[in-house]
Amino acid sequence: NAGVTQTPKFQVLKTGQSMTLQCAQDMNHNSMYWYRQDPGMGLRLIYYSASEGTTDKGEVPNGYNVSRLNKREFSLRLESAAPSQTSVYFCASNQPQHFGDGTRLSIL
Amino acid sequence: AQKITQTQPGMFVQEKEAVTLDCTYDTSDPSYGLFWYKQPSSGEMIFLIYQGSYDQQNATEGRYSLNFQKARKSANLVISASQLGDSAMYFCAMRDPIGVNFGNEKLTFGTGTRLTIIP
Repeated sequence: NAGVTQTPKFQVLKTGQSMTLQCAQDMNHNSMYWYRQDPGMGLRLIYYSASEGTTDKGEVPNGYNVSRLNKREFSLRLESAAPSQTSVYFCASNQPQHFGDGTRLSIL
Repeated sequence: AQKITQTQPGMFVQEKEAVTLDCTYDTSDPSYGLFWYKQPSSGEMIFLIYQGSYDQQNATEGRYSLNFQKARKSANLVISASQLGDSAMYFCAMRDPIGVNFGNEKLTFGTGTRLTIIP
């Protein structure tokens, strides 16, 4: 998965805590995406950014915010984590086959 | 709204046999594209193959081929001569263009098929 870097790879939070998932790509792609993957449900789009300076909601945006800091970076923020947000989070850029390795997030 | 359906939650196949993973889709857009991804137990998403709706021939990539039947709205993945390393989750996905720039697109995923290759 060269080109899309996600940090952290694992994180455990307590309910109500906040955190930001980081994503960066070095392929000069315009669009970037955040997906979540839950058991038995495939990947679902949370937010996307078609280009630097724009962001839009996907299928499951509630409880999340995003920032397209520049062309390279697209962060996902959980302001007040809930157990229902326990999931694996994937960032992707442009031609969506460029996925990061994922962040496994558990909220207790 | 676009929809992807994978009806096989799990499959067991003997090593060296060919395997077909089913995918049906629904869209009202005449221009669309279909992807297959592999997700091994390590968790990363690996792009396998892509088929555009206007492509005249079925896509092939090594041992992977896509049996694209437009009238039936199906895009099945065929893996020839299966190997133990093929054991993984497989996801079918459809692209949904966003904006006007080529390559800007988001994906709608199916629920996946877990393939297990038996030695």
